[in-house]
Amino acid sequence: DGGITQSPKYLFRKEGQNVTLSCEQNLNHDAMYWYRQDPGQGLRLIYYSQIVNDFQKGDIAEGYSVSREKKESFPLTVTSAQKNPTAFYLCASSPRAVLYEQYFGPGTRLTVT
Amino acid sequence: AQSVSQHNHHVILSEAASLELGCNYSYGGTVNLFWYVQYPGQHLQLLLKYFSGDPLVKGIKGFEAEFIKSKFSFNLRKPSVQWSDTAEYFCAVIQRGSQGNLIFGKGTKLSVKP
Repeated sequence: DGGITQSPKYLFRKEGQNVTLSCEQNLNHDAMYWYRQDPGQGLRLIYYSQIVNDFQKGDIAEGYSVSREKKESFPLTVTSAQKNPTAFYLCASSPRAVLYEQYFGPGTRLTVT
Repeated sequence: AQSVSQHNHHVILSEAASLELGCNYSYGGTVNLFWYVQYPGQHLQLLLKYFSGDPLVKGIKGFEAEFIKSKFSFNLRKPSVQWSDTAEYFCAVIQRGSQGNLIFGKGTKLSVKP
């Protein structure tokens, strides 16, 4: 099956701990994205990557980090510096960065207490 | 700043009622436009898109949207909603020539009463 997988579906962490969210795609898409979804806020872009070994900050990158060592993988680390990490995180990919629609994974709900 | 506005936060309709969800964007240039839908517990999925050509776009499940360039709008419509249309709907815009980042509206939650 082609698609985007995110794991785990639910994640619980204690405050002060870093946590890494997984995102894998087998669609052979060049571009990948991380969004954060909060109730009433829509989707806000955290980081994006148009090609392997390159990524750029989105609108709310503070407290997050990413890597893009492989085309199919774009993990997101939520660091202890992120002041309000509890949220629903969505990963997406698109064939190219420009002009194409994005395809979304099922999301990971992170709860930090 | 570039933005996408969705006028209604929560819309409640009875089955068979007609639906129109508003979406306006703030860019002056050429844009690609999208409506995404998120059914309860499911992936965000593409409902329809507009790149060029006929400004009236038909999508899945009987939805359509009309691009009105002069009004910077891309409203979503459905003549007769069903209970299964209960979901959250997001309008999104890519400005051509940009880095290709989608800008999303804040979403409209649609509740359809059986």
